[in-house]
Amino acid sequence: EIVLTQSPGTLSLSPGERATLSCRASQSVSSSYLAWYQQKPGQAPRLLIYGASSRATGIPDRFSGSGSGTDFTLTISRLEPEDFAVYYCQQYGSSFFTFGPGTKVDIK
Amino acid sequence: QVQLQESGPGLVKPSETLSLTCTVSGGSVSSGSYYWSWIRQPPGKGLEWIGYIYYSGSTNYNPSLKSRVTISVDTSKNQFSLKLSSVTAADTAVYYCARKVDWNYLYYFDYWGQGTLVTVSS
Repeated sequence: EIVLTQSPGTLSLSPGERATLSCRASQSVSSSYLAWYQQKPGQAPRLLIYGASSRATGIPDRFSGSGSGTDFTLTISRLEPEDFAVYYCQQYGSSFFTFGPGTKVDIK
Repeated sequence: QVQLQESGPGLVKPSETLSLTCTVSGGSVSSGSYYWSWIRQPPGKGLEWIGYIYYSGSTNYNPSLKSRVTISVDTSKNQFSLKLSSVTAADTAVYYCARKVDWNYLYYFDYWGQGTLVTVSS
């Protein structure tokens, strides 16, 4: 089983600042199988990035994804008030999906 | 716009079987590039993939739940369903249905239901 680790657990930032979220896999992951989701309280997760770097439909260009192998990054270039949420990475390997434990981005 | 809606009992007794249905609108469960999935989230915790089904009936389950899970599809009703047997308090969670994209070696979940909380308690 491929285990995903996300860091930091919590990121405290101010609106307008840059957020850099890390997702590390216990073994190499195909970039095609790496996705990022945003979840706000009481809501379902929302797809942000698929294929490690492709933005989903309707996602603002302040969100970007990068990385390969075992290290992937989600960057939010300038935080807007609506971006404070929990972010999960997801991978598909060995015929099943796993999610990381999440990074909470909260207001400093 | 594809929409998914979960339905089913919000309270299940320990040792019984949890049963949920997901109704798909704005799209067809028979679409070839999609698989139909269940994902759960215990209160205050992260996401756990349960399994998925193709319209043909082909399934794939999380190995940690495989012995207790059955996912089925009813193309005539545009629905798919989850059964989880022998539940315990550890199965208390918000259960989401979601559409898994399977195209050009890209695998991700693009549409999600709003989720339904299922509590396991006597």
